[in-house]
Amino acid sequence: EVQLVESGGGLVHPGGSLRLSCVGSGFTFNSVWMSWVRQTPGKGLELVANIKEDGSDINYADPVRGRFIISRDNAKNSLYLQMSGLTVDDTAIYYCATTGYDILTLESWGQGTLVTVSS
Amino acid sequence: DVQMTQSPSSLSASEGETVTIICRASQSISSYLNWYKQKPGKAPELLIYGASTLERGVPSRFSGSGSGTEFTLTITSLQPEDFATYYCQQTHRIPGSFGLGTRLDI
Repeated sequence: EVQLVESGGGLVHPGGSLRLSCVGSGFTFNSVWMSWVRQTPGKGLELVANIKEDGSDINYADPVRGRFIISRDNAKNSLYLQMSGLTVDDTAIYYCATTGYDILTLESWGQGTLVTVSS
Repeated sequence: DVQMTQSPSSLSASEGETVTIICRASQSISSYLNWYKQKPGKAPELLIYGASTLERGVPSRFSGSGSGTEFTLTITSLQPEDFATYYCQQTHRIPGSFGLGTRLDI
């Protein structure tokens, strides 16, 4: 059974930084693209970033490009999202997800971690 | 970016009924369209990919159709566990934009 467990969320001030982690199990981690997706009541679901199996290809959504960095450590079955320059608009539940049918299809999801950006 | 529009934004139905949700893309996305289901407090789960292929384990009362710019998700013989919010997502172009969801209530 695929399991994804996110951690690292919390309360941060505007302009601050936070690092999210996701540990995967129950599948071959180094064989799938991985993604970070966020969800807010107002803007809905947004695929924030994804990363190829070996880390050689990365995509970012426009609102986070230049501020967020996605990375992975296949030896640790772990996915990361380094977030900096945070604004209130980054407040969301952040999910990590595996890909399936294509690199944008989100096959299995973690339970999510809440990031709140507030002064 | 490809904009995804879902309709209706909410609908009410009863157990045993059939409902249809529509998703429209601002430009042609071929069959690169997924559907997800989300229950309150839970992560979304993939239902259908490639416009019409059911993810493993998804009941056959769910079906998807369409291509180009207009797509439908149909749920026949509604069960209690089907009352949730449904999202479409295009995967034709990065970053794979989502619709705003359709809430299905009793």
